[in-house]
Amino acid sequence: GNSVTQMEGPVTLSEEAFLTINCTYTATGYPSLFWYVQYPGEGLQLLLKATKADDKGSNKGFEATYRKETTSFHLEKGSVQVSDSAVYFCALSDLGTPLVFGKGTRLSVIA
Amino acid sequence: GAGVSQSPSNKVTEKGKDVELRCDPISGHTALYWYRQSLGQGLEFLIYFQGNSAPDKSGLPSDRFSAERTGGSVSTLTIQRTQQEDSAVYLCASSLSSGQVNYGYTFGSGTRLTVV
Repeated sequence: GNSVTQMEGPVTLSEEAFLTINCTYTATGYPSLFWYVQYPGEGLQLLLKATKADDKGSNKGFEATYRKETTSFHLEKGSVQVSDSAVYFCALSDLGTPLVFGKGTRLSVIA
Repeated sequence: GAGVSQSPSNKVTEKGKDVELRCDPISGHTALYWYRQSLGQGLEFLIYFQGNSAPDKSGLPSDRFSAERTGGSVSTLTIQRTQQEDSAVYLCASSLSSGQVNYGYTFGSGTRLTVV
């Protein structure tokens, strides 16, 4: 079946540090890939997405590139801020099926 | 409505009681999804609706769980004879349709269920 594996957290970084959160997937078809973010006390929000190989999704300074050869969709940001502290979820949907999520990675950014 | 609305936001219930959780999706969204978020377990898919039909109920953990959707709008998730392991945050999301997942889901803020 389809599954998503993302790096265990929590991740703690200083402000302006570089962020990478790894995400790999297993899918039977050709999935669309997503990153969702959950800020403290809020619901999940779509952060970015990519629907085909080599596509790069980007939003709010975050980027992720769909790598079919390595079945990966790693999330990166060049300079994190305290306001980026949240839980980040990698997800996939294959052939229009409901989103399958990873377990989430908690990021804490300290000033 | 402007967003996905879930009620109640918090529910504490005694073991063995039944609970109903409500989700009001964005107007015009035909697809509705229920997930469960437990500590350290990520988001676990429960069930989804396209219109009033539930094509995929595979995620419901046991026959104590059921869900319905009427009028293509509001959905209710019912848990009968609650157990302590049912304690979690229950999230509802909606999307334009189940075939248009690339537009993303809009999530509600969830119902935190605590079974004591």
